Amino acid sequence: NAGVTQTPKFQVLKTGQSMTLQCAQDMNHNSMYWYRQDPGMGLRLIYYSASEGTTDKGEVPNGYNVSRLNKREFSLRLESAAPSQTSVYFCASSRRDSPLHFGNGTRLTVT
Amino acid sequence: AQSVTQLGSHVSVSEGALVLLRCNYSSSVPPYLFWYVQYPNQGLQLLLKYTSAATLVKGINGFEAEFKKSETSFHLTKPSAHMSDAAEYFCAVSPYSGGGADGLTFGKGTHLIIQP
Repeated sequence: NAGVTQTPKFQVLKTGQSMTLQCAQDMNHNSMYWYRQDPGMGLRLIYYSASEGTTDKGEVPNGYNVSRLNKREFSLRLESAAPSQTSVYFCASSRRDSPLHFGNGTRLTVT
Repeated sequence: AQSVTQLGSHVSVSEGALVLLRCNYSSSVPPYLFWYVQYPNQGLQLLLKYTSAATLVKGINGFEAEFKKSETSFHLTKPSAHMSDAAEYFCAVSPYSGGGADGLTFGKGTHLIIQP
């Protein structure tokens, strides 16, 4: 059982480049989330999807877009990367009334 | 609105000593509270959660936490620290029992250091 799988694990971008972070879960969870983790800031919610076909902004959505491709997959896109988006990105999923399950993260550096 | 404050960004204890990681919350509705652990280069794992069934909650790896409404606290403890407990610990709050649909509000984390 793979749980929550994120790709890639590491990425280096130049300012202005675009990329998509991929996330897939095999637990048949309805809800999926994207968080970013920065030193001293904890985890902050970027976007979430309560169910297939719906997405909503979290605490720090600016500069990001998301797509809930199907029940399994939830992608995060940076259209024009900025150094302020250097971070570790975590995808998570959950069933209603169950705790969040996290992937192992994508470490992104924007130069 | 809800928030979490973790007191101490770094906590250092000796192996075998008591571990105490502090968490205070603010919530306009009865809260559900969680502790997650993050080992180096990994995602977060659930340690334990409070869902109003009992104020003392036991989790994995010998950790437990006590919900104190009067103090708005949910401190994490372990009687005897082990080297393998070295990690980042996050307290989180939600108005929902599972933490969804709009996710959890996390504290900034406490890095636990175990001295040999």
